[in-house]
Amino acid sequence: EMQLVESGGGLVQPGGSLRLSCSASGSMSGPSAIHWVRQTPGKGLEYVAGISTVGFITYFADSVKGRFTISRDNSKNFHHLQMSSVRPEDTAVYYCVLGGATSGINWFDPWGQGTLVIVSS
Amino acid sequence: IQMTQSPSSLSASVGDRVTITCQASQDISNYLNWYQQKPGKAPKLLIYDASNLATGVPSRFSGSGSGIDFTLTISSLQPEDIATYYCQQYDDIPPTFGPGTKLDIK
Repeated sequence: EMQLVESGGGLVQPGGSLRLSCSASGSMSGPSAIHWVRQTPGKGLEYVAGISTVGFITYFADSVKGRFTISRDNSKNFHHLQMSSVRPEDTAVYYCVLGGATSGINWFDPWGQGTLVIVSS
Repeated sequence: IQMTQSPSSLSASVGDRVTITCQASQDISNYLNWYQQKPGKAPKLLIYDASNLATGVPSRFSGSGSGIDFTLTISSLQPEDIATYYCQQYDDIPPTFGPGTKLDIK
């Protein structure tokens, strides 16, 4: 069974940067896209970004486009979400999730345990 | 694409049949998934493509619908089903989630 573990969350000042990492372990039926979904009490669940296995196609929510980047290291099963120019509204629990396909977006399964990002001065 | 859910919260008794609805702002065919989130835990996939049960999910859960209107049904509520349930569409990018339905035991 595939397991995902996030790291890198914490407190960051507005305008600052933070890098979240996602480590994948265990067995899976085939290569799959990796995505990030965040959750806040006020806005609920929100798609953030994703990267495909084939062609390294990337996807971003409009709210983070131009500020966040996503990358993957298939050889090491690590994926990273680089957050720059962060804003208070980026405060959330960030989940690393496995997509149901090698590219494109369908369902998310499994989910990591989440890492909390707080943007505050 | 905007997703709405009703009700926003629901109390039911053990053994009850529970129905949660999800509506999309436009036709999404069957590109609709359901998730269960227990307190303090990450969401878990329950149903994909509107009506397909994810691996390991009990058969008391079922999903139906296509186009705009979708339904998640629990045929006989169990205490471990206490959670918040979310729908999610993937007909368009970015995928979007409903606001959730919080289910508890009466």
